[in-house]
Amino acid sequence: NAGVTQTPKFQVLKTGQSMTLQCAQDMNHNSMYWYRQDPGMGLRLIYYSASEGTTDKGEVPNGYNVSRLNKREFSLRLESAAPSQTSVYFCASSDVTQGSSYNSPLHFGNGTRLTVT
Amino acid sequence: QKEVEQDPGPLSVPEGAIVSLNCTYSNSAFQYFMWYRQYSRKGPELLMYTYSSGNKEDGRFTAQVDKSSKYISLFIRDSQPSDSATYLCAMRTSGGYQKVTFGTGTKLQVIP
Repeated sequence: NAGVTQTPKFQVLKTGQSMTLQCAQDMNHNSMYWYRQDPGMGLRLIYYSASEGTTDKGEVPNGYNVSRLNKREFSLRLESAAPSQTSVYFCASSDVTQGSSYNSPLHFGNGTRLTVT
Repeated sequence: QKEVEQDPGPLSVPEGAIVSLNCTYSNSAFQYFMWYRQYSRKGPELLMYTYSSGNKEDGRFTAQVDKSSKYISLFIRDSQPSDSATYLCAMRTSGGYQKVTFGTGTKLQVIP
């Protein structure tokens, strides 16, 4: 059982280049998320997808786009990378049901370490 | 001011010590409180969660929430070297299913 799989694990980009970070989960979860983690800033939500076919902005969406390709896959695209986007990116999923009191935990992948020079 | 404040540490303790990790928050609407553990070069994993005020115990770990003071704590008893990790507090409102707010994390090292 792989859980949440992110590719690639590491990436170095030059300013202005584009790339797509891939994420797939095999837990049949409805919701998927992209976070970035920076020293002193903690985990910040970039975008999320509450269900297949929907996406919404999080706290820091500028400079990113997302695609919920199907229930399993949620990709994050940087159209024109900037040094400020150097970070560790985490994809997560959860089995959230609106109106339920059950607190479904976030299941995280192991991250993509991105450096933009 | 950040919604959630957490001392970044690092915190270094001898094996067997009791560890206390803390977070304060400003949003009185937060109802669900969580602690995640993150090992180096790994993603966070859920360790404990509590709803509203009170204590919850799971083995060597106890999570405590004091909503009146907007303060949450995680206690680790008989700490082990395998507990060395970064601990992130996290919280969300009752309806904010997808919007979890994280603290910056406290790095803990347990010395054998």
